[in-house]
Order: sequence, then C-alpha cells, then structure tokens
Amino acid sequence: EAAVTQSPRNKVAVTGGKVTLSCNQTNNHNNMYWYRQDTGHGLRLIHYSYGAGSTEKGDIPDGYKASRPSQENFSLILELATPSQTSVYFCASGGVGFSNERLFFGHGTKLSVL
Amino acid sequence: GEKVEQHESTLSVREGDSAVINCTYTDTASSYFPWYKQEAGKGLHFVIDIRSNVDRKQSQRLIVLLDKKAKRFSLHITATQPEDSAIYFCAASVAGYQNFYFGKGTSLTVIP
Repeated sequence: EAAVTQSPRNKVAVTGGKVTLSCNQTNNHNNMYWYRQDTGHGLRLIHYSYGAGSTEKGDIPDGYKASRPSQENFSLILELATPSQTSVYFCASGGVGFSNERLFFGHGTKLSVL
Repeated sequence: GEKVEQHESTLSVREGDSAVINCTYTDTASSYFPWYKQEAGKGLHFVIDIRSNVDRKQSQRLIVLLDKKAKRFSLHITATQPEDSAIYFCAASVAGYQNFYFGKGTSLTVIP
C-alpha cells in the first residue's frame, strides 16, 4: 500500500509566526498536492507539484508557499501565519498518466493559529 | 475552472438500505470521476472511480453511475453497513491531467 506521511500531526502556532508542514511519500509518485479541509468548503487545493524542483499554485495559494526539494518530500510553508489558516491540511501523492490517477492521502495535520 | 457540486451534505440511512450521493460538474472536458472515503480523524482513501467511456461501474456493494449529458454522477452504496459511515467526496478531473476538483463532502450515517 502506498504511503504518505505528514508531520506534525498537530500544530499550534502564533499569529505572525512561521509554520512548516512536511510530507513524505514512498510511492515514487511524480505528483504531490497540498489541500486544506474546512467545514462548508470541503477540500481546496493550495499548491501542487509535478516533480522535484517544481511547484504550482492551486486554487487558494495566497499566504502559502511550497517546496519540493526531492521526489519524496513536499513542504507547505506559512511565512506569516494568520488565524484564518487554522484548518486541517492534507498532503497527497499521485501517479502520472491514464489509469494511474488515484491519489493517496496522508492522515492530515491539524493546525491551530492563535 | 471546473466546479463540482455535491448535493447532499448529510445523509442517514438504516442498515441494509441503499445510500445515494449525487454530484454534478461543469467542465465538459472532465473525464475521470473518483470517489474517496474519509473515516473519522483519518485521511481520504480511494473507493471507486468511473471514466467517461462508460456509464456504470460496480465494485462489490458500490455502484457509480455517470450521465455525461446531464454532467452528473452518483455513488450508490447497497446493503449499507455501519462501517460505511464516513464522509464521502466526489471529484472530477481531465484524464491524464493531475488536477482534481473535489465536492464538499457528504457525511453518511448508517443507523444500525
């Protein structure tokens, strides 16, 4: 079974602080994604990556940066955290091409910005 | 861009009955429609998908129907069991592209 591991599982941050959420996948997938999940909004795409060194903006990138230093690792960075970024964040990985689109999700990171 | 509407935000059924979750999409180019299940406190995991070259797919107690003309697809869970209780998400994408658009989720409760 494909594995996606997120850290930390829970994080409390202060307004204006820097937060880094990490994601590691052992699936050798090219594509990785960061979503946030909020009641009433479902899953919204923040950033994604097609491979090491690439990052792309999703639907709600403002206030977030992403980094993909290697095939396995994809980080989400909040340079100046705000209370509106309190949410549950999910990382996912996925393959490339027809019949390989299934996404594998991590368990999520619950972030509270006070 | 694509918009996926998931029509039922909550759904309760009695054990053994069927549950139906409906989604609509806007982009006629979308051709791949997966469903994901999220159990309490966990990440999402894939349950079933359908491509635009078919209008029905079944995997055990799960049936997915696709109506391309109406831009509508649905998940049918037959003979529901308490372990089917979870949040279900529909999604749409253009096959071969890796951007997925998710619905807001349906919280399904199966009452024993």
